[in-house]
Amino acid sequence: EVQLVESGGGLVQPGGSLRLSCAASGFTFSSYWMSWVRQAPGKGLEWVANIKQDGSEKYYVDSVKGRFTISRDNAKNSLYLQMNSLRAEDTAVYYCARGGIAVAGSSTFGYWGQGTLVTVSS
Amino acid sequence: DIQMTQSPSSLSASVGDRVTITCRASQSISSYLNWYQQKPGKAPKLLIYAASSLQSGVPSRFSGSGSGTDFTLTISSLQPEDFATYYCQQSYSTRSTFGQGTKLEIK
Repeated sequence: EVQLVESGGGLVQPGGSLRLSCAASGFTFSSYWMSWVRQAPGKGLEWVANIKQDGSEKYYVDSVKGRFTISRDNAKNSLYLQMNSLRAEDTAVYYCARGGIAVAGSSTFGYWGQGTLVTVSS
Repeated sequence: DIQMTQSPSSLSASVGDRVTITCRASQSISSYLNWYQQKPGKAPKLLIYAASSLQSGVPSRFSGSGSGTDFTLTISSLQPEDFATYYCQQSYSTRSTFGQGTKLEIK
């Protein structure tokens, strides 16, 4: 059974940092693109970042470029999101999502974690 | 980035109704269009991928069509469990984008 379990969310002050983790199981983690998707309270879904199987390609939504870094450790079956210089508008539930194998459809998310809430407030 | 526009933003319907939600891309995305269903407090669930392919386990009352820039999600006969928010998403670009969502409510 495919499982994605996020952790690391919490309350952080504006300008602070947080590192999210996603533990994957039930599939060959190193074979899939992986992504982070967020959802602000009462709002829609926003794709945040994705990473290729070997970590050689990474892409970000403009609003987080230069502040967030996506990474993965295939030996540990884990995905990460390092979030720096956090702003109030980064407050959201952050989901880890499994993409596809090929570039085409790399962002077709057949599996999602349960999400972890990040609140940026003083 | 590719912009995705859904309509309507909200929709009231009754059990048994046929419902159609549309999604338009700001440029051609071929058939790289997915549909998700999300219920309150839950992660999204993939319903349709590649514009018209039904995800395993999804009831056949859900169907998708379209290519290029215009797409539709159709629910042939609404069931009580279908009242939720629906999102389209393009996976054509490595920088994916979602539509703003369509909230389907009980009339």
